[in-house]
Amino acid sequence: EPEVTQTPSHQVTQMGQEVILRCVPISNHLYFYWYRQILGQKVEFLVSFYNNEISEKSEIFDDQFSVERPDGSNFTLKIRSTKLEDSAMYFCASSDLMGDRGYTFGSGTRLTVV
Amino acid sequence: AQSVAQPEDQVNVAEGNPLTVKCTYSVSGNPYLFWYVQYPNRGLQFLLKYITGDNLVKGSYGFEAEFNKSQTSFHLKKPSALVSDSALYFCAVRDSPYSGAGSYQLTFGKGTKLSVIP
Repeated sequence: EPEVTQTPSHQVTQMGQEVILRCVPISNHLYFYWYRQILGQKVEFLVSFYNNEISEKSEIFDDQFSVERPDGSNFTLKIRSTKLEDSAMYFCASSDLMGDRGYTFGSGTRLTVV
Repeated sequence: AQSVAQPEDQVNVAEGNPLTVKCTYSVSGNPYLFWYVQYPNRGLQFLLKYITGDNLVKGSYGFEAEFNKSQTSFHLKKPSALVSDSALYFCAVRDSPYSGAGSYQLTFGKGTKLSVIP
């Protein structure tokens, strides 16, 4: 069963520092996503990415956030200057073009900002 | 706009009894519906989806869900609960890409904690 791989599984960073969360989506998927889940809350959409550009983003995805597909396999989420409220579990996901086969989520990166 | 409601924060059921976790949704076109399960400190695991076809969808670990268009519901069910089913369950929805709505994002419910009591 193909998997979405996320690294690291847990990252602790100081407020104001930049962090990069990494993901390897399923190889033949075309859409890539980042979601986050603040502890005890629901899973929230951040951004979707298709054909090397952002296709949708939520209000959460402000100028502090950016995404990139630097090569043919990795998909990254960068937070430029982390805030305490960025502490959350961040999930990467990927899907085929129409989403008919569903969305596969990675196991997440727990980001703790101190 | 699309939305999902999971009316129960917690569902308790005795082991061996049937379980139901409720979900209702709202989309502008035809829905794509999903159930995911999350174990403590783990990621989201896919259980099942409804895209089109039979209203009763069977998924992983003996779970099934019934799509009811008139009631805009997609309740998750299992005939006989196991203690190992205890986890957080999320319902999610998006508009069908064939509806022309254009959004690929999944909208999640707030989750229902299922506790199966031995």
